[in-house]
Amino acid sequence: NAGVTQTPKFQVLKTGQSMTLQCAQDMNHNSMYWYRQDPGMGLRLIYYSASEGTTDKGEVPNGYNVSRLNKREFSLRLESAAPSQTSVYFCASSVSGGPNQPQHFGDGTRLSIL
Amino acid sequence: KNEVEQSPQNLTAQEGEFITINCSYSVGISALHWLQQHPGGGIVSLFMLSSGKKKHGRLIATINIQEKHSSLHITASHPRDSAVYICAVSGNQFYFGTGTSLTVIP
Repeated sequence: NAGVTQTPKFQVLKTGQSMTLQCAQDMNHNSMYWYRQDPGMGLRLIYYSASEGTTDKGEVPNGYNVSRLNKREFSLRLESAAPSQTSVYFCASSVSGGPNQPQHFGDGTRLSIL
Repeated sequence: KNEVEQSPQNLTAQEGEFITINCSYSVGISALHWLQQHPGGGIVSLFMLSSGKKKHGRLIATINIQEKHSSLHITASHPRDSAVYICAVSGNQFYFGTGTSLTVIP
């Protein structure tokens, strides 16, 4: 059981470069999420997709775009990377977007912007 | 303003000790979640609860809705329990605490 798979695990970019983080889940979940985790702060929601074909902004969407490619895949794109986007990024999925659904997380992507 | 506060931030224990991690929240919730994050690794959901108490092996989670407080207990702690434990609450959206870093020394 792969669960939620994120690629790549590590990436170093230069300021201004673009990058797409990939996420795929094999649990037939409807809802998917992208979070960033920074030292001293809780996970913060960047974007989410309640179901295939829909995406919505979270708490910190600026500088990011997302694509819900199909039910399995949800990608996060940095069009012009900035040092402030250095972070660990987590993708998660849940059966539905309801509050009583546990989220299943990937192993994270550690991204450094120089 | 942090909707979810955890204490302590850091905790070191000797193997075998009973451990308690606390979580307080300030928003209305439908459920509270306890997550575990190992160093360099992903995040795993341990518990989701909306009332009372849940137990899984040596881990026990309790919640007091009236006091907006939850505790995660680890009995007979072991070095493999060393991880960051994150409290999260869900209602209209998810709010996450900053985590409690636990180190269990052999």
